[in-house]
Amino acid sequence: DGGITQSPKYLFRKEGQNVTLSCEQNLNHDAMYWYRQDPGQGLRLIYYSQIVNDFQKGDIAEGYSVSREKKESFPLTVTSAQKNPTAFYLCASSIRVLRDSINEQFFGPGTRLTVL
Amino acid sequence: SQQGEEDPQALSIQEGENATMNCSYKTSINNLQWYRQNSGRGLVHLILIRSNEREKHSGRLRVTLDTSKKSSSLLITASRAADTASYFCATDPEGNQFYFGTGTSLTVIP
Repeated sequence: DGGITQSPKYLFRKEGQNVTLSCEQNLNHDAMYWYRQDPGQGLRLIYYSQIVNDFQKGDIAEGYSVSREKKESFPLTVTSAQKNPTAFYLCASSIRVLRDSINEQFFGPGTRLTVL
Repeated sequence: SQQGEEDPQALSIQEGENATMNCSYKTSINNLQWYRQNSGRGLVHLILIRSNEREKHSGRLRVTLDTSKKSSSLLITASRAADTASYFCATDPEGNQFYFGTGTSLTVIP
């Protein structure tokens, strides 16, 4: 899983609670991403960050928040406002995104969140 | 949505056979990438093809790209049981984020 760690692997949360998923990379990548994957579906982008202290919403940002205080870390908070948070969450990183550049993504092993 | 669509959704073949899966997308792209995902794991990058390329090879993988039809295909030759996984295509039409397809689930029967 290429220098990106996610913790925990499995996470259980009670309804109404916020929870933070960790993502750390030691690849010296500038860009980091959070995706959500539901059964039988592809990946949907939640948030991405191209540089420290900056991030942008993806297609499904509602109910989620992120921070990017350090280059190596991009934690995702699933808030109580997210109506259906049970899913598999994947973090990824890539070299600085420039137009027409090669931007292969390296993925972490994922965190499976279950809301009880 | 700019998300791609893979076809077929599921594919089951015998070991040694070739596996072909297709990806269609909606907008112009800079490049198209294929990823593999084993069950319950993260994705692993397989191959990238630029918009000005038509074909690319990597080991047992062959990727083609037809930008006029907005489609790509991934061919895995001489498949092995270890190739069993889901395969996704991803595009970056705007150069700043990726759009993944829904995936093809490949089962290779020993």
